[in-house]
Amino acid sequence: GAGVSQSPSNKVTEKGKDVELRCDPISGHTALYWYRQSLGQGLEFLIYFQGNSAPDKSGLPSDRFSAERTGGSVSTLTIQRTQQEDSAVYLCASSFDGEQFFGPGTRLTVL
Amino acid sequence: SQQGEEDPQALSIQEGENATMNCSYKTSINNLQWYRQNSGRGLVHLILIRSNEREKHSGRLRVTLDTSKKSSSLLITASRAADTASYFCATDDNQGGKLIFGQGTELSVKP
Repeated sequence: GAGVSQSPSNKVTEKGKDVELRCDPISGHTALYWYRQSLGQGLEFLIYFQGNSAPDKSGLPSDRFSAERTGGSVSTLTIQRTQQEDSAVYLCASSFDGEQFFGPGTRLTVL
Repeated sequence: SQQGEEDPQALSIQEGENATMNCSYKTSINNLQWYRQNSGRGLVHLILIRSNEREKHSGRLRVTLDTSKKSSSLLITASRAADTASYFCATDDNQGGKLIFGQGTELSVKP
């Protein structure tokens, strides 16, 4: 596919469970970003990967959040022991030269 | 942390009218980008303006950037009902390319 893809598109989970969200960036894009968007809000930066450099984790809200990017391509965002305030749309973006292309997002609902 | 502040928060106009949205930010930037979002998903990149540029056009879109005032505006000319969406400005603050988003302007274009 030509664009950024994310899976699942929707995830409903119970409080306390772990979830994994996946992002497939555009082939050849060296940078990958995760953001989240709470209802009616702008996007909040979470984490950023650039090539083989150490990721910028400065936006992660707690140590329950972590992310990996394997082989410089696919990325997984993991939220452990989910809380209700984690409910949001999680968006992934990839970039080659500054312009970021966003995936459709994963809507996470924590009951 | 929120870098961009947008106004108005909501804008309602008639088809054919022009829509102007403003964005202010706090720190020095590498570039500023405008995005459109429909129904809380599907963020679409509209236009990127670099810090050394003052104005940029793309179709019915015109973006200005005033780095001395730390502000930008997005003008949509001859609006259409299909332009109804939320519009976000996002700044690249030269720290690896992560974007800091404003809260957005909700535009409603009435036919």
